[in-house]
Amino acid sequence: DAKTTQPPSMDCAEGRAANLPCNHSTISGNEYVYWYRQIHSQGPQYIIHGLKNNETNEMASLIITEDRKSSTLILPHATLRDTAVYYCIVRVANYGGSQGNLIFGKGTKLSVKP
Amino acid sequence: DTAVSQTPKYLVTQMGNDKSIKCEQNLGHDTMYWYKQDSKKFLKIMFSYNNKELIINETVPNRFSPKSPDKAHLNLHINSLELGDSAVYFCASSQAEGLAGGRWSYEQFFGPGTRLTVL
Repeated sequence: DAKTTQPPSMDCAEGRAANLPCNHSTISGNEYVYWYRQIHSQGPQYIIHGLKNNETNEMASLIITEDRKSSTLILPHATLRDTAVYYCIVRVANYGGSQGNLIFGKGTKLSVKP
Repeated sequence: DTAVSQTPKYLVTQMGNDKSIKCEQNLGHDTMYWYKQDSKKFLKIMFSYNNKELIINETVPNRFSPKSPDKAHLNLHINSLELGDSAVYFCASSQAEGLAGGRWSYEQFFGPGTRLTVL
């Protein structure tokens, strides 16, 4: 079962920042927070991940609270193409290994509106 | 170039038939996966496989079997198809988890999916 809780849906105006929350109150010290998204009829796509520090890449920013029990994915300037289901996943690092399980929950359906 | 590809994109077949879905990755990854996404959009891992180990989700019926002719391919064979097998099947691949910038990093790359309809 997924170890995260996300709102089922959110709306965002085009050009505005989209802030997607995720609760992971039972996260362990060696577990990372991963975000993936699935655009309609496509395979999931990796966005970003983090352990305890805030992270930023070309797609998004990830803000993790100090107690690590929740996080927020930020799309700074949402476009219509960002409309998708966003999945927050908690996963233990498989140090040096090549296998790992992504356990997907229900995710948040983000609708970016013009 | 497509990183992870699947064929066919759509597959419609009768109950009881045996079918296969092919997956290929050109990323040089050493681990491949199969996921099933049902009509309620839940995405669940079915198998993970590398040249050392096959890990099967215990909920997957033994009618499903992955077959890997080489490191770049992981095909999914399904015997005696049932109505409940109708779903979208996604293949994915990943490289071994690595340390980058002080963080362990791991990313799965997914294929476009195969929509299987069993009549």
